[in-house]
Amino acid sequence: TQLLEQSPQFLSIQEGENLTVYCNSSSVFSSLQWYRQEPGEGPVLLVTVVTGGEVKKLKRLTFQFGDARKDSSLHITAAQPGDTGLYLCAGAGNYGQNFVFGPGTRLSVLP
Amino acid sequence: GAGVSQSPRYKVAKRGQDVALRCDPISGHVSLFWYQQALGQGPEFLTYFQNEAQLDKSGLPSDRFFAERPEGSVSTLKIQRTQQEDSAVYLCASSLEGRGRDTQYFGPGTRLTVL
Repeated sequence: TQLLEQSPQFLSIQEGENLTVYCNSSSVFSSLQWYRQEPGEGPVLLVTVVTGGEVKKLKRLTFQFGDARKDSSLHITAAQPGDTGLYLCAGAGNYGQNFVFGPGTRLSVLP
Repeated sequence: GAGVSQSPRYKVAKRGQDVALRCDPISGHVSLFWYQQALGQGPEFLTYFQNEAQLDKSGLPSDRFFAERPEGSVSTLKIQRTQQEDSAVYLCASSLEGRGRDTQYFGPGTRLTVL
């Protein structure tokens, strides 16, 4: 069974601060996705990373896939209250299996 | 809107009752997924359809859970004889093609509370 761990579990910061959240596993994934979920809504895909060492930027968000494709990080620059939400990572195995989700990091950005 | 819709949004059931949760995927999407999300946790896979075929039901927690997608579009997740541990948000997602790297679009979920 492929398991994903995310850290920290909770994070509360002030507007304008930078932060990094992590997604780790002992398993290798063919691809990894990051989602953001707001209360009462389903997760919304932010990015998919496929290649080991890959870095993708989406405005103030920077996503990195580890060289060994076992871990990933999400860095947010100058966080804003609108970034508040549950950040989930999800990994897919090598044979098109279903995505396995981590437990999430709940981020709160205070104005 | 053309997104994934789910109904009802909230369902309260007494222990032992049967419930049916509906998912309307994005039109034309081949794949449909059901997930269970417990409070404070990430979604856990329940079952996967490609068109009307249920290709993977390995995540269904017991034989009280049953899902169908008879015409390859709308899907229903049925839970028989509900138990308190079934209380969770049930999420449906659809994707244009097969599972794997294809983008999944999630609905808002149905929050089930079993008393």
